[in-house]
Amino acid sequence: QSALTQPASVSGSPGQSITISCAGSANDIGSFNTVAWYQQQQPGKAPRLVIFDVSNRPSGISNRLSASKSGNTASLTISGLQPEDESVYYCSSHTTRNTLIFGGGTYVTVL
Amino acid sequence: EVQLVESGGGLVKPGGSLRLSCAASGFRFSDYSMSWFRQAPGKGLEWVGGLTPISSTTNALSYGDLVEGRFAISRDDAKMSLSLQLDDLRAEDTAMYYCAGYSNNWARPYGGFHIWGQGTMVTVSS
Repeated sequence: QSALTQPASVSGSPGQSITISCAGSANDIGSFNTVAWYQQQQPGKAPRLVIFDVSNRPSGISNRLSASKSGNTASLTISGLQPEDESVYYCSSHTTRNTLIFGGGTYVTVL
Repeated sequence: EVQLVESGGGLVKPGGSLRLSCAASGFRFSDYSMSWFRQAPGKGLEWVGGLTPISSTTNALSYGDLVEGRFAISRDDAKMSLSLQLDDLRAEDTAMYYCAGYSNNWARPYGGFHIWGQGTMVTVSS
């Protein structure tokens, strides 16, 4: 199963909004409402879940993060960009083969 | 404190084997779906495989394409542990291995893993 497709990098100035796309197929994103987004602040450090089930934020995650899905593509938006948002963000989705696939990760840079 | 702690990583020669363990504490382990993930140095996250409930007594076990029949996952709810048996290891299996879980009452299957361990490093080299 092919990985999900994310842009390698996205950047924005403090206070701006950015959006990260995550493109899949009818066999993953298009079939399930199970897209998740993870933030990884450092290589070798465990990822942190920031969005589950397409658009839900776990307790403690800033409401500046929002997410949605349309067809086979999911998106994560970070509004009011802050320096601490600088991280790598990964999307994931359940698949029709009962597996889990990830995107390649998007490095968010705060200019 | 809700916690997952991995152990068992180390240096192994190509073709060798390792058994990784993940000890859970601070939550009702039996109510959680669990998976193993890995991340090679400088690379992205990969799902190795996992267990999700299909009934009150049965879990569905699935693996990612990367496994190719070489890895095996098991869980022991009484001991609150998850294991990953790694056989026929290759250089490309060198990675940090993480266990993670989500509550079956909280998210859809594979909808988001909210508990992660700190990882254990596996290095495959001669």
